Amino acid sequence: GDSVTQMEGPVTLSEEAFLTINCTYTATGYPSLFWYVQYPGEGLQLLLKATKADDKGSNKGFEATYRKETTSFHLEKGSVQVSDSAVYFCALSFYNQGGKLIFGQGTELSVKP
Amino acid sequence: EAQVTQNPRYLITVTGKKLTVTCSQNMNHEYMSWYRQDPGLGLRQIYYSMNVEVTDKGDVPEGYKVSRKEKRNFPLILESPSPNQTSLYFCASGNSRGLAGASQFFGPGTRLTVL
Repeated sequence: GDSVTQMEGPVTLSEEAFLTINCTYTATGYPSLFWYVQYPGEGLQLLLKATKADDKGSNKGFEATYRKETTSFHLEKGSVQVSDSAVYFCALSFYNQGGKLIFGQGTELSVKP
Repeated sequence: EAQVTQNPRYLITVTGKKLTVTCSQNMNHEYMSWYRQDPGLGLRQIYYSMNVEVTDKGDVPEGYKVSRKEKRNFPLILESPSPNQTSLYFCASGNSRGLAGASQFFGPGTRLTVL
């Protein structure tokens, strides 16, 4: 079945370091891809998305490119801040599956000053 | 303020005692859904609703019930909770039109412990 795999955490970085969180998916067809972020004690918030191959989603300095050939949607940020500490979830959905989001297991990011 | 609210935020209960977790959204969204979050498993969909009086099972519906009598509310019912339903629960809503790429808005979560 359809699935999402993320790199395992926790990921610990120093402030201003470069961030990559890997995400690959297995799906029949061409899903929409998402990154959601969960700050401590809060619900999930949409960070960015891409709906077709080669689309780049971006928000708050984060970017991810929909790569159909490698079935990947890696999250990147050039310079992380302490305030970026959170759990990041990669997810996919198909328009004909009732809007269901299929999530990866989440990657915890901790940024130290 | 556009939001999804859940109540209660925290609940400790005992096996077999019926409970309801409420979910309400003020964005006039047609689509609502419940997920549970467990360590190492990410979030998994329990039930969803495409509109009033229309509900369907997600990936892990066993032991849960839902209803959608009004557009804004989508309560999750555990008629006989068991310890394996101890989890963090999230309600979400979105506009069902053009769901591909459509954003979903999540509530703050309900942490349930079943003893």
